[in-house]
Amino acid sequence: GENVEQHPSTLSVQEGDSAVIKCTYSDSASNYFPWYKQELGKRPQLIIDIRSNVGEKKDQRIAVTLNKTAKHFSLHITETQPEDSAVYFCARAKGFQKLVFGTGTRLLVSP
Amino acid sequence: GAVVSQHPSWVICKSGTSVKIECRSLDFQATTMFWYRQFPKQSLMLMATSNEGSKATYEQGVEKDKFLINHASLTLSTLTVTSAHPEDSSFYICSAPQASGGAGQYFGPGTRLTVT
Repeated sequence: GENVEQHPSTLSVQEGDSAVIKCTYSDSASNYFPWYKQELGKRPQLIIDIRSNVGEKKDQRIAVTLNKTAKHFSLHITETQPEDSAVYFCARAKGFQKLVFGTGTRLLVSP
Repeated sequence: GAVVSQHPSWVICKSGTSVKIECRSLDFQATTMFWYRQFPKQSLMLMATSNEGSKATYEQGVEKDKFLINHASLTLSTLTVTSAHPEDSSFYICSAPQASGGAGQYFGPGTRLTVT
């Protein structure tokens, strides 16, 4: 019940294309789902998050969708740019408790 | 926004020695802090939850006698890796929960530990 599965592990796209990363979880008590971007040797950086009472959230080129019934949530990046290249992690949590991270997706955006 | 700092940012030590890593919340108080470990090309794995004024809670498989955690004040948690070995070489990151109103975390910049 702890783990978060994340797919794909690597994703290569051309600049301007869209990228979609999907995560599934099993703990139905989870109510907070953040997405982080991590560059090499740096701390994770929150890019967007969603709570369980919301199905979709958008912030400019980034959107997250949540399907509570199916227990999966996805990150959508549109009009990708080379600077979007990084490792992306999904995570889940119950309230203020610990974050459980997905396995990560290495995104490469080619110019 | 709130800031979490870590010190040192990187450290190299010899096998068998102990290393202390500090995590500070700079402009807010944190009764709880979390310690994560991240091996190269892997995800962040929670090691333990640090609780101010009480014992830390360790995740399954993490040796509490090897990874000593002390949360002596509302702004400081320390992680001591005792009798370090090369397999302890990793990126250690701490975090503190956001204040009420959010369930997110403020992450420290991480500490790169290399044990030779």
